[in-house]
Amino acid sequence: EDQVTQSPEALRLQEGESSSLNCSYTVSGLRGLFWYRQDPGKGPEFLFTLYSAGEEKEKERLKATLTKKESFLHITAPKPEDSATYLCAVQARNRDDKIIFGKGTRLHILP
Amino acid sequence: DTGVSQNPRHKITKRGQNVTFRCDPISEHNRLYWYRQTLGQGPEFLTYFQNEAQLEKSRLLSDRFSAERPKGSFSTLEIQRTEQGDSAMYLCASSPRPVNTQYFGPGTRLTVL
Repeated sequence: EDQVTQSPEALRLQEGESSSLNCSYTVSGLRGLFWYRQDPGKGPEFLFTLYSAGEEKEKERLKATLTKKESFLHITAPKPEDSATYLCAVQARNRDDKIIFGKGTRLHILP
Repeated sequence: DTGVSQNPRHKITKRGQNVTFRCDPISEHNRLYWYRQTLGQGPEFLTYFQNEAQLEKSRLLSDRFSAERPKGSFSTLEIQRTEQGDSAMYLCASSPRPVNTQYFGPGTRLTVL
């Protein structure tokens, strides 16, 4: 069964303190791995799609990396506005339908 | 590109009432998805349309739930005889072909009293 596990569940960092969020996945052939940001009461906002092991993508203070079993979202010198829940999701190959989400990591950046 | 829109944003109803939500996808996206999200959980897949055809339904989608996408444009999700356990955020997403990244709307928050 396809599964996504994210850790930690919650993370509190001081402004400027870099860290990484983990997403471990089990899927029957990976079509794509997705990272989303979700603010309270809002829908998920797309950040990145990764397709194959070794791939990396960056956007401002965020960098996503992918291996055959997990993905990391690295946050460099975060600011309070980076506080949100970060969701990881996977889609299996030859599946045009659902993506499987993890429970997310709640990130809080203290000023 | 105005993004995915959902209406209403919030709905409060009494147990046993019927509710209907609407989703307008990004124009020309032929895939449309419905998800449900409860507090502290990630979104869970409910159903999926390619154009007007409903291609898969999760076992989470009981007989009280029905979704339509007439003419392959907007979609509606109806819940009949609502129960307190139906309280959740209902999210709609759309994706273009051939890229399968799903873009989400703001969601409809349902509260069943």
